[in-house]
Amino acid sequence: EPEVTQTPSHQVTQMGQEVILRCVPISNHLYFYWYRQILGQKVEFLVSFYNNEISEKSEIFDDQFSVERPDGSNFTLKIRSTKLEDSAMYFCASSVSHYNEQFFGPGTRLTVL
Amino acid sequence: AQSVAQPEDQVNVAEGNPLTVKCTYSVSGNPYLFWYVQYPNRGLQFLLKYITGDNLVKGSYGFEAEFNKSQTSFHLKKPSALVSDSALYFCAVRDIEDSSYKLIFGSGTRLLVRP
Repeated sequence: EPEVTQTPSHQVTQMGQEVILRCVPISNHLYFYWYRQILGQKVEFLVSFYNNEISEKSEIFDDQFSVERPDGSNFTLKIRSTKLEDSAMYFCASSVSHYNEQFFGPGTRLTVL
Repeated sequence: AQSVAQPEDQVNVAEGNPLTVKCTYSVSGNPYLFWYVQYPNRGLQFLLKYITGDNLVKGSYGFEAEFNKSQTSFHLKKPSALVSDSALYFCAVRDIEDSSYKLIFGSGTRLLVRP
C-alpha cells in the first residue's frame, strides 16, 4: 500500500540554524500539507500546497517557514532560523483531492537546542 | 471558529468489551469528520470518515463511528476491543462551507485495552 514517507526521522539543530524537512507524498496525490505537534499539545495545521503554490497557511507559518516541491516527488518544509519553540514533531500529509482524507507520514522529530 | 473536543484523556476497557471514544465538534457550516489512530513512533493512520450520507460509517480494523448532527458528535466505536487497539486516537473536522482544506484536530484520547 502506498504511503507518505518523511526524512529524517529525527533532526537535532542549534538555534538559529536552517533546517529542511523532506517528504515524499503518495504519487497520485495533488494536495500536500504540513502539520506539527508540540509535545503534549494538539496537532496543528501549518500550510497546504496545491498546483505549486501555497493554498492556505496558518498564523504559525510566518516568514521563517517556506515550502517547496522541487521536483515531481519531494515536498519540503524549510525553517530558515530555528527557534527553541520550533521543537516539535512535524507531519507531512497528502490527499487526492481536498474532499478526500489526508494520509500522514510518520513524522520528523525536530529538536532545537 | 472550528473546534474539536475529545473530553476523555484516556479510556480503559477490557479486551472483548465494546469501546467508545467520544468526539464533539463545532463548525459554522457542515462538517467533514475523520478519525485517525497513532501508534507509538508512527504517524497518524486514517481510520474512517463521514462526508455525507449514512450517519453510521464503517472503517478499518472493525471500527465505526456515528455522526449525530443534533448533538454535534462523532463518537468512535468498536463492538469488541482488542489489546492491539491500544493507541492514541484523534478526531478531526473540516468545515465544508469554508474554503479551507485544513483539518482541525482534537487533543487525542489514549485507549488502553487490558487483557
